[in-house]
Amino acid sequence: DVKVTQSSRYLVKRTGEKVFLECVQDMDHENMFWYRQDPGLGLRLIYFSYDVKMKEKGDIPEGYSVSREKKERFSLILESASTNQTSMYLCASSFREGAGVYYEQYFGPGTRLTVT
Amino acid sequence: GQSLEQPSEVTAVEGAIVQINCTYQTSGFYGLSWYQQHDGGAPTFLSYNALDGLEETGRFSSFLSRSDSYGYLLLQELQMKDSASYFCAVGGATNKLIFGTGTLLAVQP
Repeated sequence: DVKVTQSSRYLVKRTGEKVFLECVQDMDHENMFWYRQDPGLGLRLIYFSYDVKMKEKGDIPEGYSVSREKKERFSLILESASTNQTSMYLCASSFREGAGVYYEQYFGPGTRLTVT
Repeated sequence: GQSLEQPSEVTAVEGAIVQINCTYQTSGFYGLSWYQQHDGGAPTFLSYNALDGLEETGRFSSFLSRSDSYGYLLLQELQMKDSASYFCAVGGATNKLIFGTGTLLAVQP
């Protein structure tokens, strides 16, 4: 059974704190993604990675950074959390185009982050 | 730029058929995907169309017209458990998907 796990389901942080969200997949997928989901805005891509140590900005990368040191793990970092980063954060993974079915992404359960 | 449009809400009754439309503007179009997300849950993949026409998977079907930049998800014999948000997503040449804002389907008894 394929699995994407995220380190926390709920997280409460204070403004200015550094926040780490961890994501692990066990499907040997090349691609990994971080999205945030807000009511009425759908899923917006923050960053994605198509290989270890590789990263590309998505549509809303400001205020975020990422790290991918191992194929199975993709971390999202909020350098200095702000209240407008309160959101649901979803991690996903997929095969790389040409290596498999890239359009089928597998999502983790999400982390609901509240910044106060 | 890239954009997708889908209705924000759709309501239907149990046993009925409902169609959720999606129009898109994108460069480097590879195909149209559909995802389902129950409240509080993770999005899950439903279907993918790369070529024009209808793809059927059980009670769900998905259609694509590349010339019209349009697709739809058709749900038949609606059940209460089909109440969820449905997202269309387009794939391009960059291994990533662009998601629509989602359609909230409410199935009423």
